[in-house]
Amino acid sequence: GENVEQHPSTLSVQEGDSAVIKCTYSDSASNYFPWYKQELGKRPQLIIDIRSNVGEKKDQRIAVTLNKTAKHFSLHITETQPEDSAVYFCAARAAGGSYIPTFGRGTSLIVHP
Amino acid sequence: GAVVSQHPSRVICKSGTSVKIECRSLDFQATTMFWYRQFPKKSLMLMATSNEGSKATYEQGVEKDKFLINHASLTLSTLTVTSAHPEDSSFYICSVNPATRGAVTDTQYFGPGTRLTVL
Repeated sequence: GENVEQHPSTLSVQEGDSAVIKCTYSDSASNYFPWYKQELGKRPQLIIDIRSNVGEKKDQRIAVTLNKTAKHFSLHITETQPEDSAVYFCAARAAGGSYIPTFGRGTSLIVHP
Repeated sequence: GAVVSQHPSRVICKSGTSVKIECRSLDFQATTMFWYRQFPKKSLMLMATSNEGSKATYEQGVEKDKFLINHASLTLSTLTVTSAHPEDSSFYICSVNPATRGAVTDTQYFGPGTRLTVL
């Protein structure tokens, strides 16, 4: 089955700095890569996703890049703000089948004002 | 998208009792729902896939007699933790994916979660 590794487990930055979270996956059949943000005690919410036919996607301060050859994808947050503080999960899912993504272990992002 | 609710949001029970958690898909007819468990500062662990009108599919290592799942309608799935013990204390989250009904979007929409504490 799919295996998703996520690093770092904790990331501490100053407000205004950029933050980068990296994930690798094992199943070359995976073609959908969502990123979720989970604030303390709340539900995970999709913030951005990318499909394997695209190398990069951007939405305001958030961007995701995908390297299919190397089987890794990254989340980039620019101009971080304290409200970006949360746990971020990457995930990978193969085409067809059960629609169940495999999640990474999460990155706790702390943005210091 | 899809709006998913869960009830209760938190529950505290004594060891040995059973607890039922409800997951409702408010604006989407979900033939399939997913149940996750999340330990503090840990990732989402898929427990089972709930199928409307048929048996749930459990992930390896999840006791089906311990975690009873019933998906009686297109909008409701329930997870019952039977004979709960302190090690069952966790955050339980359900989700739906409109793609399971042919939607173009391929996003997991999560419920707000249920915090279970077993004393």
